[in-house]
Amino acid sequence: DAGVTQSPTHLIKTRGQQVTLRCSPKSGHDTVSWYQQALGQGPQFIFQYYEEEERQRGNFPDRFSGHQFPNYSSELNVNALLLGDSALYLCASSWDWGSDTQYFGPGTRLTVL
Amino acid sequence: SQKIEQNSEALNIQEGKTATLTCNYTNYSPAYLQWYRQDPGRGPVFLLLIRENEKEKRKERLKVTFDTTLKQSLFHITASQPADSATYLCALDIANQGGKLIFGQGTELSVKP
Repeated sequence: DAGVTQSPTHLIKTRGQQVTLRCSPKSGHDTVSWYQQALGQGPQFIFQYYEEEERQRGNFPDRFSGHQFPNYSSELNVNALLLGDSALYLCASSWDWGSDTQYFGPGTRLTVL
Repeated sequence: SQKIEQNSEALNIQEGKTATLTCNYTNYSPAYLQWYRQDPGRGPVFLLLIRENEKEKRKERLKVTFDTTLKQSLFHITASQPADSATYLCALDIANQGGKLIFGQGTELSVKP
């Protein structure tokens, strides 16, 4: 049973560029959440997708957007990258909106130069 | 303001001893609290969940307590082993927030042989 997978593993971009990160949820899960984790900090909630709609959003600017596909996989897009966007981006999946346990992927390490 | 805080300093203990990690929060009313383990460069791994109406929960060498009056959770690892060395994160799920997790900054645990 495959767990949560994310791609790419690492990414280097320059300021002002745009980036797309991808996530495939654990088999049987239909809800995907995205988190940003800066070095030495805990993950911060970006948003959550359920049934292809954004259901919850954290305190992130509109430069952060996402999408969920019919097969429940998801993308996170970040436009106009800033140096401060450098972080580990984590995807977590669960089987139902409001489910108590989330399963995290290995993350994508984004470096903005 | 709303805050969730964990021991900011790393915890160093000897193998075989009990490690105790603290999670304090203010101005939240969590439906439940979760503990995760995170190894460097990896995504968090779910360990234990305790609900607001539960005082204590155990799983093998792990024990979690939850005091909603003190707004505090304690996480214990008994008979600690070097393999327990990692960063431990507590996370709150706020009632009716649809699975949005609020994380503490994490506590780094180092178990010396």
